[in-house]
Amino acid sequence: QVHLVESGGGVVQPGRSRRLSCAASRFSFSSYGMHWVRQAPGKGLEWLAVISSGGSKQYYADSVKGRFTISRDNPKNTLFLQMNSLSADDTALYYCVATQEDYLGSESYAASFESWGQGTLVTVSA
Amino acid sequence: AIRMTQSPPSLSASSGDRVTITCRANQSISRYLAWYQQKPGKAPKLLISAASTLQSGLPSRFSGSGSGTDFTLTITSLQSEDFATYSCQQYYSYPPTFGQGTRVEIK
Repeated sequence: QVHLVESGGGVVQPGRSRRLSCAASRFSFSSYGMHWVRQAPGKGLEWLAVISSGGSKQYYADSVKGRFTISRDNPKNTLFLQMNSLSADDTALYYCVATQEDYLGSESYAASFESWGQGTLVTVSA
Repeated sequence: AIRMTQSPPSLSASSGDRVTITCRANQSISRYLAWYQQKPGKAPKLLISAASTLQSGLPSRFSGSGSGTDFTLTITSLQSEDFATYSCQQYYSYPPTFGQGTRVEIK
């Protein structure tokens, strides 16, 4: 059964950077597409980024493109989200999500999200 | 990006009631539609994929229907554990997008 544990959240000042991690276990991490999804307080879900199983392909939401970078370390079963130039609008609970459907490119179908971590809270505040 | 619109934003219902939530896409997404249940302080839980395929182990009182642009999540005979927020998501194309959620509250 897929197990995902996010970490790295906390309070960060506007304009600064933060790196989130997601430790994966109990499944074949290197065979899964991986995503980040966030939820601002009291708001709906917002998909942010996807990375292919091998790490060679990524795709981002417009809201984070150029500021956030998704990456993975398959030997260490870990997913990352590097977040730069943070603003108050980035305050949210950040979830990592595993999908059996791999990311094949921006013209492919996306995926439904069957396996979620518990989330890590990022608060951007001075 | 495809826009997903849910209605109503919230509803009040009693245990045993039948509840229907609607999700509309602003372009056809075939049947690439998922429904999630989220309880306070918890991660979303996938209920239904491909518009009508109930995830394994989930109660049959949850059902989904629709195709193209209009979709429905129905909960027959609402139970106490069903009070939560329900969100739809299209996965027809990137970026995947969610509806704003429907909060099901106790009347």
